Amino acid sequence: KAGVTQTPRYLIKTRGQQVTLSCSPISGHRSVSWYQQTPGQGLQFLFEYFSETQRNKGNFPGRFSGRQFSNSRSEMNVSTLELGDSALYLCASSLQAGGENIQYFGAGTRLSVL
Amino acid sequence: GESVGLHLPTLSVQEGDNSIINCAYSNSASDYFIWYKQESGKGPQFIIDIRSNMDKRQGQRVTVLLNKTVKHLSLQIAATQPGDSAVYFCAENIGLHNNDMRFGAGTRLTVKP
Repeated sequence: KAGVTQTPRYLIKTRGQQVTLSCSPISGHRSVSWYQQTPGQGLQFLFEYFSETQRNKGNFPGRFSGRQFSNSRSEMNVSTLELGDSALYLCASSLQAGGENIQYFGAGTRLSVL
Repeated sequence: GESVGLHLPTLSVQEGDNSIINCAYSNSASDYFIWYKQESGKGPQFIIDIRSNMDKRQGQRVTVLLNKTVKHLSLQIAATQPGDSAVYFCAENIGLHNNDMRFGAGTRLTVKP
């Protein structure tokens, strides 16, 4: 079974631009979560989507948004990019059934904001 | 100027020795915990999980211990191998169907051959 796929793997943007990252979960997984990983702050939870609805949200500004499609694929968008948005963005999917809540992570999208 | 980042605790062990990685969690209401391993250039990889109604769980070469009294979690790796070198994170989750996972800062494990 294919794992979590994130595209693109690397991205370079300039301040003020916006960016969209994509995540394809493991087949059958309905929950998709997004995380930001930086050397300064570690792994921080952004938001979680389940059945096309945002179920949980971390403590990030409104410039960070996401959505989930009917096939469970998810996108996250960051508008008006700032230098501090440079990070590794990780997507994780989970089955959320039968007592299993393990999140499986993709390799991430490394975003550099210049 | 110099950037300030998280100071990752580090653990260096000899190949073949056992490793113990510790983690203190923050929320007494957390009822589900996971250990992840992250190698350079990759996303975190699931190692083992444990629910709060257990105090020990064993996997292949790994054991997780949970002490709810002091909110402490540990990961024991038996016969550590060079391939075990990575950053290890503990994560706590409040509620089975809540994916708001809080990750610890991580511990860098280096295995010397």
